[in-house]
Amino acid sequence: DVKVTQSSRYLVKRTGEKVFLECVQDMDHENMFWYRQDPGLGLRLIYFSYDVKMKEKGDIPEGYSVSREKKERFSLILESASTNQTSMYLCASTVTGLSYNEQFFGPGTRLTVL
Amino acid sequence: ELKVEQNPLFLSMQEGKNYTIYCNYSTTSDRLYWYRQDPGKSLESLFVLLSNGAVKQEGRLMASLDTKARLSTLHITAAVHDLSATYFCARDRPNDYKLSFGAGTTVTVRA
Repeated sequence: DVKVTQSSRYLVKRTGEKVFLECVQDMDHENMFWYRQDPGLGLRLIYFSYDVKMKEKGDIPEGYSVSREKKERFSLILESASTNQTSMYLCASTVTGLSYNEQFFGPGTRLTVL
Repeated sequence: ELKVEQNPLFLSMQEGKNYTIYCNYSTTSDRLYWYRQDPGKSLESLFVLLSNGAVKQEGRLMASLDTKARLSTLHITAAVHDLSATYFCARDRPNDYKLSFGAGTTVTVRA
């Protein structure tokens, strides 16, 4: 079974802090994704990585950056956290080469910015 | 613009009855995904539909895909409390590994 893990289930930070959210997958997937989930808005893609050191902006990248130094790990960085970044953050991964793109999700990190 | 629209957004079900969730999407796609999310938990893959006319069933859930109508349905048969969750549909973005998700349908099953 694919396993995607995230470093924290719950996180509380203060406005202006630098925040790191870590995601690790154990299935050698090339593609990794960061989403945020807010009530009534579904999942919105923040950033996407299709290979080590490669990244692509998603639909809402403002205020975020990412890092992928190793294939199994994809980090989401909030350079200066703001209250409007309070949300549930979900990491996902998928393999390249299949005819479909079923994504496998981590347990999520609920971030509160005070 | 690629859109994925689910309806209804909220569904109160009575145990034992049948219901359908609809997923409409803009632009043609042969692939459609259904996920389930329990409160406070992550998304779990339910079905991957890969062609027009595809039908998949697991327990009381059955998903189908009509690519010509750009419509997928998730049918729930004889609802039970364990099916209370939020259900998302998603489709591929053209020539891409990314998915576009609907807003989700929150299902509550009552006795």
